[in-house]
Amino acid sequence: ETGVTQTPRHLVMGMTNKKSLKCEQHLGHNAMYWYKQSAKKPLELMFVYNFKEQTENNSVPSRFSPECPNSSHLFLHLHTLQPEDSALYLCASSLAGGISSYNEQFFGPGTRLTVL
Amino acid sequence: ELKVEQNPLFLSMQEGKNYTIYCNYSTTSDRLYWYRQDPGKSLESLFVLLSNGAVKQEGRLMASLDTKARLSTLHITAAVHDLSATYFCAVSPNTGNQFYFGTGTSLTVIP
Repeated sequence: ETGVTQTPRHLVMGMTNKKSLKCEQHLGHNAMYWYKQSAKKPLELMFVYNFKEQTENNSVPSRFSPECPNSSHLFLHLHTLQPEDSALYLCASSLAGGISSYNEQFFGPGTRLTVL
Repeated sequence: ELKVEQNPLFLSMQEGKNYTIYCNYSTTSDRLYWYRQDPGKSLESLFVLLSNGAVKQEGRLMASLDTKARLSTLHITAAVHDLSATYFCAVSPNTGNQFYFGTGTSLTVIP
């Protein structure tokens, strides 16, 4: 496997279900990100992890719970979601290291989530 | 909150023509990124611009950054059908790890 991988690629869930999205990067990066991409809206940054520590949480509802057990893996745990949470969820990774950091992000293929 | 505005949102152009996509942002930043997204696919990094006056070119695409004007441009030269996609700019403030994306420009190149 190379680059950034995400599983599953498609997910349909009911509002009472609990599911998890998985992201894995094989690039030796130290920062990982979750984004939400909805139709007709800009890409929204949800969470950022640097060296496994969460550094950003952009007012995301608590029904989304991230987990970063190591620098290569990132999870997004989902529970009691709403239909408006249906979107493409993208994971990205980068090297991060301060003001002069290059910080170019590499994106995974995304998980298309539908909440019924 | 930093705002990133792209225009146009939709662009239909004939093959062989030139055009420019604009990206304006609202705060100090020396880090500007351009991405391409094909339908149903993820984002592909095109350019990373890290200083005022930076210019990068790849094939028929050229990106530039003017940090004083808070403006980046993506210029398309002699468009071909393969360039049809949605193009996003993104800005990261000089401190921290936040990224702010524009709404994207949907480009269609017509034969």
